[in-house]
Amino acid sequence: AQSVTQPDIHITVSEGASLELRCNYSYGATPYLFWYVQSPGQGLQLLLKYFSGDTLVQGIKGFEAEFKRSQSSFNLRKPSVHWSDAAEYFCAVGARGNEKLTFGTGTRLTIIP
Amino acid sequence: DADVTQTPRNRITKTGKRIMLECSQTKGHDRMYWYRQDPGLGLRLIYYSFDVKDINKGEISDGYSVSRQAQAKFSLSLESAIPNQTALYFCATSDLLILYFGPGTRLLVL
Repeated sequence: AQSVTQPDIHITVSEGASLELRCNYSYGATPYLFWYVQSPGQGLQLLLKYFSGDTLVQGIKGFEAEFKRSQSSFNLRKPSVHWSDAAEYFCAVGARGNEKLTFGTGTRLTIIP
Repeated sequence: DADVTQTPRNRITKTGKRIMLECSQTKGHDRMYWYRQDPGLGLRLIYYSFDVKDINKGEISDGYSVSRQAQAKFSLSLESAIPNQTALYFCATSDLLILYFGPGTRLLVL
């Protein structure tokens, strides 16, 4: 069975500082990996995805993520956070032929001035 | 206009009442999903449908039922609501595994 672990429930970062949110997955086949963001009171929006190819993927709002097969990880990064990045971030895993995504429990990001 | 809409956006109901949450989409996708979000538990899949004639249970389907009235419409019902069904409910559609979410329905069962 596929699973996703986001070990950090809550992270606080100063505005302008760099950010890394951790995601580890468990899946027997080649995974498709996603990061979604949920702003307060909103639905979820896709930040970026990895299907194949270059293991460093770029997304919207200046985010990027790197797929590391050896570590079963897909960590999300941003070099300089903005106050508007405060939100909850979800990592998810799926696969071709298995169109049911499994989500992690989320990481809530707080930005301090 | 939003591609995936959910009604109602907020609902308070009492234990034992029947309630229906509705979802409509204009994206033309065949695949539709209902997820439930609880603090600390992330999103969990309740039901999913790959076309009008295909309905499947997710990981937490007990106490819920669904109806796919058309390609664009997918409703979730709680036949007899209970307090632990208090949660935020999301409808989503997908294309090539990319999910597009509605704004959510916040449900409180007293």
